[in-house]
Amino acid sequence: GAVVSQHPSRVICKSGTSVKIECRSLDFQATTMFWYRQFPKQSLMLMATSNEGSKATYEQGVEKDKFLINHASLTLSTLTVTSAHPEDSSFYICSARMGTGNTIYFGEGSWLTVV
Amino acid sequence: GENVEQHPSTLSVQEGDSAVIKCTYSDSASNYFPWYKQELGKRPQLIIDIRSNVGEKKDQRIAVTLNKTAKHFSLHITETQPEDSAVYFCAARDTASDMRFGAGTRLTVKP
Repeated sequence: GAVVSQHPSRVICKSGTSVKIECRSLDFQATTMFWYRQFPKQSLMLMATSNEGSKATYEQGVEKDKFLINHASLTLSTLTVTSAHPEDSSFYICSARMGTGNTIYFGEGSWLTVV
Repeated sequence: GENVEQHPSTLSVQEGDSAVIKCTYSDSASNYFPWYKQELGKRPQLIIDIRSNVGEKKDQRIAVTLNKTAKHFSLHITETQPEDSAVYFCAARDTASDMRFGAGTRLTVKP
């Protein structure tokens, strides 16, 4: 089956710094990638949708200048949390869709802790 | 846009019993309804899905039913086992929008 890899799986950063999370589709070309945030015991909240080569579409309430998303190739999307604060600590998950199909494949997720 | 509601938020059953989780959606254009299982700190895994041209689908102990008129769909797990314990998410999608997830159901199967 299709594999989506996310890196790093865990990261701790200091308040005020930036951290980048990578999402790669390993064996297929992902025309669309999605980024979610998940707080403990809560659902997956869609943050943004990115299509290769174009600007990401952010969900209402998500600060695009704080959560920078780049989808420069068909196999890689990155999420950069800029000027991170403790309230940004969360589990971030990406997913990828091949073409216009329904099935999406999730990455392993990244635990971000801002201290 | 699409709004997906999921119930119950927590469900505890005895091993061997059945578990049912229900979801409703708001957008009548939605035509794809997957169910995901997520263990703590891990990625959601697709366990079963159904498209709007089908009313029921079964895969071993797992089944999903869809009522398009009422705009609700349900996950049925029979003969539950402790390893079925996890959080289950329903989702809905139409061809023009992206997937929206329900709030999740934490299933606990007691041995």
